[in-house]
Amino acid sequence: DGGITQSPKYLFRKEGQNVTLSCEQNLNHDAMYWYRQDPGQGLRLIYYSQIVNDFQKGDIAEGYSVSREKKESFPLTVTSAQKNPTAFYLCASSIDWGSYQPQHFGDGTRLSIL
Amino acid sequence: ILNVEQSPQSLHVQEGDSTNFTCSFPSSNFYALHWYRWETAKSPEALFVMTLNGDEKKKGRISATLNTKEGYSYLYIKGSQPEDSATYLCAVNTGGFKTIFGAGTRLFVKA
Repeated sequence: DGGITQSPKYLFRKEGQNVTLSCEQNLNHDAMYWYRQDPGQGLRLIYYSQIVNDFQKGDIAEGYSVSREKKESFPLTVTSAQKNPTAFYLCASSIDWGSYQPQHFGDGTRLSIL
Repeated sequence: ILNVEQSPQSLHVQEGDSTNFTCSFPSSNFYALHWYRWETAKSPEALFVMTLNGDEKKKGRISATLNTKEGYSYLYIKGSQPEDSATYLCAVNTGGFKTIFGAGTRLFVKA
């Protein structure tokens, strides 16, 4: 089945540690996104990528980094600079970057601090 | 900064009730509005994309309307069923990549 796979489902980070969240899609979509969800808030955009080898900061990029070396993969690294990483992270993709295209989402990764 | 507000935050209804909730947004620089359904332990799923003032979309018992001049969209569910229990997300796009999500309306349907 085509879709988006995020792993792991749950992740724990120690102080000062970088952790990487995986996002893979087999939908042949050009655009990919990372969002963060905190309780009572809407999804907030961390990074987005329109095409391979290109990515742009979203609204809350500080403390995060991404890469887009392959069309199907868009991993997110939560660095030690992100002081409040505990949240639910969603990866999404769309056919292209047009505003009319719906986004397809993964099941998410819940990150907690040990 | 564009702010997308959804109300109510949560809603409890009985099976068979019809219900509706609201998504409000600033009417300037509007390109498209998306509704998503997000069931617990699953991924959000696209319901509708709406672009024109007066748009109405329908999918089974769920329908949505759009008023871009006054900046709101309604989502209606007719004859709610327990499987309709989910969080309904509204997202507004102001052009290009910028999509702002509301916090969602959490619907609980009791059998």
